[in-house]
Amino acid sequence: DAKTTQPPSMDCAEGRAANLPCNHSTISGNEYVYWYRQIHSQGPQYIIHGLKNNETNEMASLIITEDRKSSTLILPHATLRDTAVYYCIVRTLNNNAGNMLTFGGGTRLMVKP
Amino acid sequence: NAGVTQTPKFQVLKTGQSMTLQCAQDMNHEYMSWYRQDPGMGLRLIHYSVGAGITDQGEVPNGYNVSRSTTEDFPLRLLSAAPSQTSVYFCASRERFGETQYFGPGTRLLVL
Repeated sequence: DAKTTQPPSMDCAEGRAANLPCNHSTISGNEYVYWYRQIHSQGPQYIIHGLKNNETNEMASLIITEDRKSSTLILPHATLRDTAVYYCIVRTLNNNAGNMLTFGGGTRLMVKP
Repeated sequence: NAGVTQTPKFQVLKTGQSMTLQCAQDMNHEYMSWYRQDPGMGLRLIHYSVGAGITDQGEVPNGYNVSRSTTEDFPLRLLSAAPSQTSVYFCASRERFGETQYFGPGTRLLVL
C-alpha cells in the first residue's frame, strides 16, 4: 500500500471549515483513499473514501486532485466534537487475505471555541 | 446491533502472566482483526482472520496467538505478558466485500 504524509497537527475555529491535507504521491491506479478518525480513547471511525472523483457524505467531503497524488478532507462546519486524530490511508479495494488498514501517524485536529 | 464489543475495558497484568482479550461482533462479518496502539502512535496490525478457522499474522504478531472457531468471536491471547505489550488493543471487523472497518472500543492493557 502507498505511504501517506499528513501534518502532525492542525487547529480550526468552531463553525469554520476544517481542511485536512494528505499527500500520497506514490499511490497506484487501483488504490483508494480512505479517511478514518479517532476521538480520544475510542476506536477509529470510518469517515469517507474515494478513488478519483470527489465524494461527499453526511460527515465530510473528500477532494482528490486530478493526478491523485494528494487529497483533502473537508469538515464543512467543525464542532468541538470533531476534535480527533484523522488518518489518511490508501489501499487497494480487494478482498485478498491481509487487506487490512495500515495506519500512519495521522493529523491531530483541535477545534477551538 | 451491538457492533464490535471488547472485554475487558482495562486490565493490569504482571510480567509472565497470561490472559485472553475477548472480541465479538454481531454483524456476521467474515473479516476480523486485532490492532495495537502505543501512545502517540498509529494502529499496528497484530493478527487477522478472513473467516472461521482461518487466521494469519499481521505486522507485529510476536507474543500473541489467535483462533477463530466461530464467525462472531476472535480472541487474542497473550501467553506470557511482557511490559512491551502495554498498549491499547482494538478489534475490528468488516464484511468480505465491504469497504468499511468497524472498530471496538478498545482494551487498555498495562503489564508491570
